[in-house]
Amino acid sequence: DAGVIQSPRHEVTEMGQEVTLRCKPISGHNSLFWYRQTMMRGLELLIYFNNNVPIDDSGMPEDRFSAKMPNASFSTLKIQPSEPRDSAVYFCASSFTTSGGNEQFFGPGTRLTVL
Amino acid sequence: GENVEQHPSTLSVQEGDSAVIKCTYSDSASNYFPWYKQELGKRPQLIIDIRSNVGEKKDQRIAVTLNKTAKHFSLHITETQPEDSAVYFCAASLGSLGGSQGNLIFGKGTKLSVKP
Repeated sequence: DAGVIQSPRHEVTEMGQEVTLRCKPISGHNSLFWYRQTMMRGLELLIYFNNNVPIDDSGMPEDRFSAKMPNASFSTLKIQPSEPRDSAVYFCASSFTTSGGNEQFFGPGTRLTVL
Repeated sequence: GENVEQHPSTLSVQEGDSAVIKCTYSDSASNYFPWYKQELGKRPQLIIDIRSNVGEKKDQRIAVTLNKTAKHFSLHITETQPEDSAVYFCAASLGSLGGSQGNLIFGKGTKLSVKP
């Protein structure tokens, strides 16, 4: 398996533009997680899905952020309009969740810069 | 909800010395405790994990201990090498218990520097 795939790897955009980040989880995994990482705030969970259903989006900063998972092999995180404070590395991770908890496999991340 | 505290935030050791990173968690129902290593510019990757039915687990130079009563767990790295330099994150999870679906609550990270 190629692991979790994210695109793009780098994104530079101007304030006010729409940004869409994409993620393909590992085949067979039933949970998908979106994280944001900055020096100031560390690794923050934004939203996670189980069996394509959003379970908890309490980490989504504000209405400018939205996430979808139309099927088991694809998810998007959209920011509109983008702002400079959204600059961060965004990670997608997937796992096969059981009652005992399981390893999350992280993608390579998307480094977003909003000018 | 679960809260994970991690200490220290930075740690500098001499090559060959041991390093210990400690975490505490708040939810006694948490049952899975992984440790991730993140090298500069890379993704976090699992290095070791422990479940609540085990008190200690070891993998070569890395070991993790869990004290459920005190709700804390620790990462021990022996004979540190320069390539151990990275940011280490602890985390706790309920698995799929209590309505959770396996989300991890991460500590803030420890930046470990191993000086040659």
